[in-house]
Amino acid sequence: GAVVSQHPSRVICKSGTSVKIECRSLDFQATTMFWYRQFPKQSLMLMATSNEGSKATYEQGVEKDKFLINHASLTLSTLTVTSAHPEDSSFYICSARTVSGQNFYEQYFGPGTRLTVT
Amino acid sequence: QQQVKQSPQSLIVQKGGIPIINCAYENTAFDYFPWYQQFPGKGPALLIAIRPDVSEKKEGRFTISFNKSAKQFSLHIMDSQPGDSATYFCAASNPLSNDYKLSFGAGTTVTVRA
Repeated sequence: GAVVSQHPSRVICKSGTSVKIECRSLDFQATTMFWYRQFPKQSLMLMATSNEGSKATYEQGVEKDKFLINHASLTLSTLTVTSAHPEDSSFYICSARTVSGQNFYEQYFGPGTRLTVT
Repeated sequence: QQQVKQSPQSLIVQKGGIPIINCAYENTAFDYFPWYQQFPGKGPALLIAIRPDVSEKKEGRFTISFNKSAKQFSLHIMDSQPGDSATYFCAASNPLSNDYKLSFGAGTTVTVRA
């Protein structure tokens, strides 16, 4: 149980275009989802927290107009990188948490999406 | 400012050895301490987690030791295998923060030689 999927796994786009990444909880209802980015050989950096039906909360330094997050249902959150530039190239990972059951502390991570902006 | 400090940055052990990774924190409000394993190009996977009310927890070959007074916790990998070669992250969660956000350590790359 507690499986999180991401789509696509890899995406290459041209500078100036927008890219949408989907994060789905497959077998549980995710009341909260988190988006991270990870640069090579570095730790995970939290970008934003989203709760179903609410606006996302962005971490300091993360441009909310550039990284649009939508958490429209209890199983789906999307991250859209708008007007992507080469410096946005990174590994984007989502995680999901549920408030029900005894495992409400736990975050379950997706497999990640490798974004390359050319 | 990293709220969870992790060491060492990397370590190499022989098969069957016991890699030990240490983490330290300052925020006494943290009350959930998970460890994640990440293989190259993959997302982190939850390995094992501990709450402050116990000093040790074992799951298979993985053991967490927790020292509340010292504000330290560590991961031991018993009888390590080449397949355990990965990057390991410790983390901590503060229930007083929004939505139980995790603070991650910097990561430790473990290499197990056959």
